[in-house]
This record gives sequence, C-alpha cells and structure tokens, in this order.
Amino acid sequence: EAGVTQFPSHSVIEKGQTVTLRCDPISGHDNLYWYRRVMGKEIKFLLHFVKESKQDESGMPNNRFLAERTGGTYSTLKVQPAELEDSGVYFCASSPRGQPTPGAGNIQYFGAGTRLSVL
Amino acid sequence: QKEVEQNSGPLSVPEGAIASLNCTYSDRVSQSFFWYRQYSGKSPELIMSIYSNGDKEDGRFTAQLNKASQYVSLLIRDSQPSDSATYLCAVSWGSGTYKYIFGTGTRLKVLA
Repeated sequence: EAGVTQFPSHSVIEKGQTVTLRCDPISGHDNLYWYRRVMGKEIKFLLHFVKESKQDESGMPNNRFLAERTGGTYSTLKVQPAELEDSGVYFCASSPRGQPTPGAGNIQYFGAGTRLSVL
Repeated sequence: QKEVEQNSGPLSVPEGAIASLNCTYSDRVSQSFFWYRQYSGKSPELIMSIYSNGDKEDGRFTAQLNKASQYVSLLIRDSQPSDSATYLCAVSWGSGTYKYIFGTGTRLKVLA
C-alpha cells in the first residue's frame, strides 16, 4: 500500500511568485493534515480536512495560503504571493476515517514533505 | 511557554547503550502521545504511541508516560548507529481535530 506522497519534493521560487504543493493521502483516509516546519522551529499545524471539508484551519498563517481537497482525495496548498518567511518544509499527514476512541490516539502517517525555498 | 518541549541535542550515546529521550508538555485533558523518528529528508515514522500512565514496550523501544509530572520519555535499548535520527515528540489533545503539537525534536547520534 502506498504511503502519503507529496509533490514536489523541493521547490525554489522568487518572492511574489505562486507555488502549489500537492499531497496524496493514503487511500481511504478521510483525515488529511498540513503542517509546516520553518528553520530551527518545531513542526506546526496548519489545517485539517475531513474528506473535502475544512475541519480546522486555525494554523493557517494568513490569507496568502489557500488549501483545497478535491473530492476528498488529494489536497493542494497554494501560497500566493510567496514571501521569504514562507520558506520551510511543508508536511502532509493522513489518518483513517472517524474519530479515535476516547482516550486513544489518532495515529497520523506523514509524507516526506516539500521543501520550499523563497528567494 | 511552549506546549511541548524537547532538548534539541545532539544526544550522543555509544553503540549498545541505552538512549533516553525526554519530552515535557503543558497540561490538557485527554492527551495522547507519540514518538516519531525522522531521518534527514525522509518522512516522520511512528515509533511508539502511548495513552495511559506507565510503560509501553515494543522491541528495543519503551515509552514511559507520567501525566502527574507531565512528561513522556522514550528509551532505546541496545542503541545502533542506524538509530541515529531526529526523534519527534507529538501530543494530541483529546477533542476537536486531534491535531498534533510537536516538540522541536531531539537529534540522536549513536557512535559506533
């Protein structure tokens, strides 16, 4: 079974340009998460989809970031226009459908990330 | 104050020794705890999950959770050079989106 895949693995763009990152979750996983790690900092939550619906987008930095999940399958994260501080590694994770059992966890499976460099 | 804290390291241990990785967190209700291992440029890979106070063992790995003291640790017995990686502590609160809050990660070096 394929894991979480992300495209591209690395993107270098100039400030002001637009970049679109893609995530293909594990087949059948309803939950899809985006996270970001900027240099020297911890991985931080951006947003969460349940199927095609945004469940929580409290971590999105500003309105230059737009996430979509077409038909509840793959997801895209667009940054427009990109700024220098958007540089970092963007991770996608997915987990199976439904809420976890109370007191138990929600195991998330991660992709290798997209390294974004804004020059 | 950060919600999840880890020592960034590097933590260096000789081959065959026990590596002890620690993580502290701020108080929340119904937490779940995860340890991920990440090799450079690769995806974080789940090593252990733990939900209740006490120890949980899986092969060479033992996770320990102490909710009263608000810490979770990972012990790696018989450390191997292949264990050299960054270990990420993640906490998931028990309601809402079950998103993860991460520590900065601890870089472990196992010396041959």
